[in-house]
Amino acid sequence: KNEVEQSPQNLTAQEGEFITINCSYSVGISALHWLQQHPGGGIVSLFMLSSGKKKHGRLIATINIQEKHSSLHITASHPRDSAVYICAVNGNQFYFGTGTSLTVIP
Amino acid sequence: EADIYQTPRYLVIGTGKKITLECSQTMGHDKMYWYQQDPGMELHLIHYSYGVNSTEKGDLSSESTVSRIRTEHFPLTLESARPSHTSQYLCASSELWNTEAFFGQGTRLTVV
Repeated sequence: KNEVEQSPQNLTAQEGEFITINCSYSVGISALHWLQQHPGGGIVSLFMLSSGKKKHGRLIATINIQEKHSSLHITASHPRDSAVYICAVNGNQFYFGTGTSLTVIP
Repeated sequence: EADIYQTPRYLVIGTGKKITLECSQTMGHDKMYWYQQDPGMELHLIHYSYGVNSTEKGDLSSESTVSRIRTEHFPLTLESARPSHTSQYLCASSELWNTEAFFGQGTRLTVV
């Protein structure tokens, strides 16, 4: 069993659609990270959350500590949002989800 | 923009060679990490460091070794590369355990 579960694994959306990626975890954590990995392999940290909600441009991340669940939302999706989105948590060590591969079609 | 750098970006080497993957950061972060990622698979932590002269093994067993002689530098070494070491290696750093992590661009290693 993975400590971090993401859904969906793959997602295809039309440009402009609202997108939600979910992350559930089973361990106690001090923080949750949303990461973006582009096809070249480089990873960018999008958000680090320990409670509540954060917004950066068209990206919104929320976390519910009691339910051990986080969501990443992308509003007005664009083809350049196509990437793999990874949920990671700080427990007594780092745990990573397997990622959600997002493709946004023009 | 994150100031963490990995070299080389791509490396193809023969079996049995010794290699060192370089990782440097200019943010003064104490915490540094090495991750391994096979194609289409999740990231796995293989080594981390609390600070200078501190190194720890991660959750995935690795035949690589690391050193942390300076705050800004966290190289990873494979003494004798094998085809099973073919993977992407990502370096990251953070100020604290529960603060934002910054990632390097990765080194894609192929052992033939």
